[in-house]
Amino acid sequence: GAVVSQHPSRVICKSGTSVKIECRSLDFQATTMFWYRQFPKQSLMLMATSNEGSKATYEQGVEKDKFLINHASLTLSTLTVTSAHPEDSSFYICSATYRGELLFGSGTQLSVL
Amino acid sequence: DAKTTQPTSMDCAEGRAANLPCNHSTISGNEYVYWYRQIHSQGPQYIIHGLKNNETNEMASLIITEDRKSSTLILPHATLRDTAVYYCIVYNNDMRFGAGTRLTVKP
Repeated sequence: GAVVSQHPSRVICKSGTSVKIECRSLDFQATTMFWYRQFPKQSLMLMATSNEGSKATYEQGVEKDKFLINHASLTLSTLTVTSAHPEDSSFYICSATYRGELLFGSGTQLSVL
Repeated sequence: DAKTTQPTSMDCAEGRAANLPCNHSTISGNEYVYWYRQIHSQGPQYIIHGLKNNETNEMASLIITEDRKSSTLILPHATLRDTAVYYCIVYNNDMRFGAGTRLTVKP
C-alpha cells in the first residue's frame, strides 16, 4: 500500500557539515510534500511545502538557504540542512497527501555535535 | 497559527472510552477536521477525518457538532497502546499542528 518512506532515521553530524534527508512516496505519486520540524515535547512545526518541479514554499522564519528542498520527481523530495549547527538538532518529518489523507514518514532524528 | 484548541492532557482508564474534545470555532465551510496521533519519536499516525457528518472507522469515531465549531474523537475501548499525543487539525491545503492532547491510558 501507499507509504511515505523517510531516510535516514537517525543521523549524527559535526557542526558545519551538511545533512541530506530523503522522503519517498511508495506506490503513489506526490506532487506536494510537506516538511516539518519537531523539538522535544513540542508540536510539529510546518517548515516548507515542497512542489514537484518548482521551488518550495517556506514558512515565515525558515531560512531557505539553510534548509534546501529539492522535489525533482513525483516520488522523491529531499531536505538538506546546510552548515548544520547544534541548534538545528531536531526531529524532521516529511509527509505527502494520498487520497485525502496525509501520510507521514517515520522521521529523522538529527543530532549536531 | 493552528486553528484548533485542545486540552493539554487527559487520563483514561484502560477499557473505557476516551473522549477527546477539540474546538475549531473559525473553521470554514470547505475545511475538513482531521485527527492524528503521535507516539514518542515516531511520525504521526492518521486516525480519522470528517467534514460535517459523524464518521467511524476501525480505530475511532468522530463526532462533529452541527455548527462544526467543535468535534470529539472517541476511542471506544482505550488500551495502554493508545497512550499518545492526539492532534486535531483543520485542513485546508496544508496541515498545521496545534499543541495536541497528551492522552495517558492507565491500567
